[in-house]
Order: sequence, then C-alpha cells, then structure tokens
Amino acid sequence: AQTVTQSQPEMSVQEAETVTLSCTYDTSESDYYLFWYKQPPSRQMILVIRQEAYKQQNATENRFSVNFQKAAKSFSLKISDSQLGDAAMYFCVVSSGGSNYKLTFGKGTLLTVNP
Amino acid sequence: GAVVSQHPSRVICKSGTSVKIECRSLDFQATTMFWYRQFPKKSLMLMATSNEGSKATYEQGVEKDKFLINHASLTLSTLTVTSAHPEDSSFYICSAPPTDLYGYTFGSGTRLTVV
Repeated sequence: AQTVTQSQPEMSVQEAETVTLSCTYDTSESDYYLFWYKQPPSRQMILVIRQEAYKQQNATENRFSVNFQKAAKSFSLKISDSQLGDAAMYFCVVSSGGSNYKLTFGKGTLLTVNP
Repeated sequence: GAVVSQHPSRVICKSGTSVKIECRSLDFQATTMFWYRQFPKKSLMLMATSNEGSKATYEQGVEKDKFLINHASLTLSTLTVTSAHPEDSSFYICSAPPTDLYGYTFGSGTRLTVV
C-alpha cells in the first residue's frame, strides 16, 4: 500500500515570492513515479511536474522545481516568482509502476497568492 | 497532449433516479480508466478501475451495484450512479493512465447533485 502525507493544509505566499510545499510518501514499490498536480477553482486537474523515482536529478519545469530525497521519501515542490494564477489546491501524488498505474493522492495543500 | 472529455459537467437529478457519466479519450485509446470521487475541499478517492473488455475493479467499500462502470470501447468509459441518493452528491472525475512522458490525463469532472 502507498501513502502520501501533505502536512500543510494551507499555505500563503506573496506575489513574486517563493514558497515550498511539503510532501512525504511511503511505498513498497521499487519502480514508481511522483507528481504534483494543481486543482484551481475550475477543478480541472493540471499536471505541474513529474519525477521518475529512478532519476536522481530533481525535475524542474520553468518556475516549478522539486526537491526529491528518495531515501527520506520526501518530494517537496518549490514555486518561484509566485503568480496569482498559481493559487490552487496542490496534490502530491504517487504512482505505482508496472501495469497497475494506480495513483495515491495526498490530502492537498491550498495555496493562496496575495497580491 | 492526450485529452479526456467528461460529460456532463453538472447534473441535478431526483432521488431514486440513475445518472450516467461519460469519459471519452479524444485522441488516444484508453484501455484503462480510473474513476475518482472528490468531496468538497478533500482529496480524490479512487472508486474503481475500468478495463476495456473486462469487468471493472472496485476499491474496498465501493458498492458495485450502485456505481456501475462500463468500458464499452477503447475510447469510452462510463460511470452510472444507480438509484441515486443525496449522499451520492459529489464531484466525480475520470482519469486515463499516461500515454506519453507527461502524466495522467484527467477529465474535467462532473458535479452531481441529488435532490
């Protein structure tokens, strides 16, 4: 079984500042993937960033980057130069590898961006 | 990227009636579709996995007879909420496994209200 823990139910950040969202996980799989998805008020799930567990290099996607610590099973998301459009619920997600593809979601962190 | 079209986006039905929610993969074939339920300000809870050509796999605690899932073709999966009751009111989302390097594709969700 997989578990994902997001210890910050809510976070806020000033526009143009940097914020880090925390996530820890547990899995017995050796092959797995990690994602951060955002869900804005429209409730459409949008992929923010993806990390393959076998890759040591941290993934980056423009203003979004992760700090992946495999031994500690930690996968935090850093948002730089925060924008008003970044306001959303952010979910940390773990996917088992192989043919299962099941996703396990954290409870989410609601990010508010203050102008 | 891959697109999953989910309909309807909103539906209001009377208690005791049935409601069908459709998810179509528009530009790819989805042999598997995941169905989630999301309560307000909560995370996504996996209900079941549909597989084209075989029976759906339900998560523990999900009533198979209430939530009928059918994967009629490689591009269509449906969730039918039978004999709906107010407690079935929720946000339902479908998702297809990744077809490329990016991630899972989510439908836009269906807000079901049972009155």
